[in-house]
Amino acid sequence: QKEVEQDPGPLSVPEGAIVSLNCTYSNSAFQYFMWYRQYSRKGPELLMYTYSSGNKEDGRFTAQVDKSSKYISLFIRDSQPSDSATYLCATPNRDDKIIFGKGTRLHILP
Amino acid sequence: DGGITQSPKYLFRKEGQNVTLSCEQNLNHDAMYWYRQDPGQGLRLIYYSQIVNDFQKGDIAEGYSVSREKKESFPLTVTSAQKNPTAFYLCASNGQATKNIQYFGAGTRLSVL
Repeated sequence: QKEVEQDPGPLSVPEGAIVSLNCTYSNSAFQYFMWYRQYSRKGPELLMYTYSSGNKEDGRFTAQVDKSSKYISLFIRDSQPSDSATYLCATPNRDDKIIFGKGTRLHILP
Repeated sequence: DGGITQSPKYLFRKEGQNVTLSCEQNLNHDAMYWYRQDPGQGLRLIYYSQIVNDFQKGDIAEGYSVSREKKESFPLTVTSAQKNPTAFYLCASNGQATKNIQYFGAGTRLSVL
């Protein structure tokens, strides 16, 4: 089983919809979780950083961690065409290397 | 502005040629990383360095070499031994205080002529 798994998409939703992006991870010892956004032909940029379980909100973005099911989510409210990008989840493993999901391509349709 | 600068943005390699990708950071970060990104493959770690004059192989180091002579700089050489070099290469760094968060450059797209 891969350490972090993520559906590659693409996921297409109409503008204004709520988007849900998800990852699963294999090791219950993982505690820190990140979401990166990557626009086409650009480097990833950090979007959200969470520790342990619970929710973290930043504007239209909410990151959620469910440690009991080893599931992490990113919700985007009132989605905009500018949110069209690839979203990567990530977590450090016990060797302090960052493990990235393969990324989900998101298209927001105007 | 603090950040990570990768150059060039686009690079073309001829058969049998070594090419070097530049990565410079002014964030005063100790650790630097090189990743390769292919469609559908996610980010794969090539090499990383946690301190000047020291570096370790990542998951796909074959055909690549690095050096870390200065804290700010971590160049990657794609050697002729790398038979499938066409990819998007990303450099990243992180500091001790935020070691779980990596900051990325804008990337270099390498293609074979």
